[in-house]
Amino acid sequence: GENVEQHPSTLSVQEGDSAVIKCTYSDSASNYFPWYKQELGKRPQLIIDIRSNVGEKKDQRIAVTLNKTAKHFSLHITETQPEDSAVYFCAANLETGFQKLVFGTGTRLLVSP
Amino acid sequence: GAGVSQSPRYKVAKRGQDVALRCDPISGHVSLFWYQQALGQGPEFLTYFQNEAQLDKSGLPSDRFFAERPEGSVSTLKIQRTQQEDSAVYLCASSPRDISNQPQHFGDGTRLSIL
Repeated sequence: GENVEQHPSTLSVQEGDSAVIKCTYSDSASNYFPWYKQELGKRPQLIIDIRSNVGEKKDQRIAVTLNKTAKHFSLHITETQPEDSAVYFCAANLETGFQKLVFGTGTRLLVSP
Repeated sequence: GAGVSQSPRYKVAKRGQDVALRCDPISGHVSLFWYQQALGQGPEFLTYFQNEAQLDKSGLPSDRFFAERPEGSVSTLKIQRTQQEDSAVYLCASSPRDISNQPQHFGDGTRLSIL
């Protein structure tokens, strides 16, 4: 079945630095790749997503890149702020005609002031 | 509120009891999902509804788990004869359409603790 690997599991940066989180997926038919931010005890919040017909998407300080050939995608956060501290999950859909998402294991990002 | 609403937020039950968890999706959303999130892990798919039809229940761990969405809106996840390994956060998500590349919006979840 589909497998999504995510790394690093933890990432510590100084405020203002950039952070990069990487994911790889196994199902070559996957065509939708969302990223979620989850603060402690809160809901996963969709922060950005990308579909397989584009290679990059940007929204202010957040960007996602997709390499379909290598089957990996990455989240880039620039000018990090303490409020970016959270657990980030990548996900990929299964191209079965339904919308099941398979999630990575998460990256705990800590941004220090 | 316009978001996905889940109740209760917390549920404590004794092993062997039955529990029912409720999800109110975003109004008009066709697709509804249930996920299970263990501590420190990513959400894992349980089941999927398109309107009132349960099209995928491949993630339900056992026949003790049952989900329904009789009128194509509110959904209930029921767990019978609960066991300690059922302790987790149960997340509901909804999506506006029934195609595979649409955003899924999550509720706050129900934290279930089985004693």
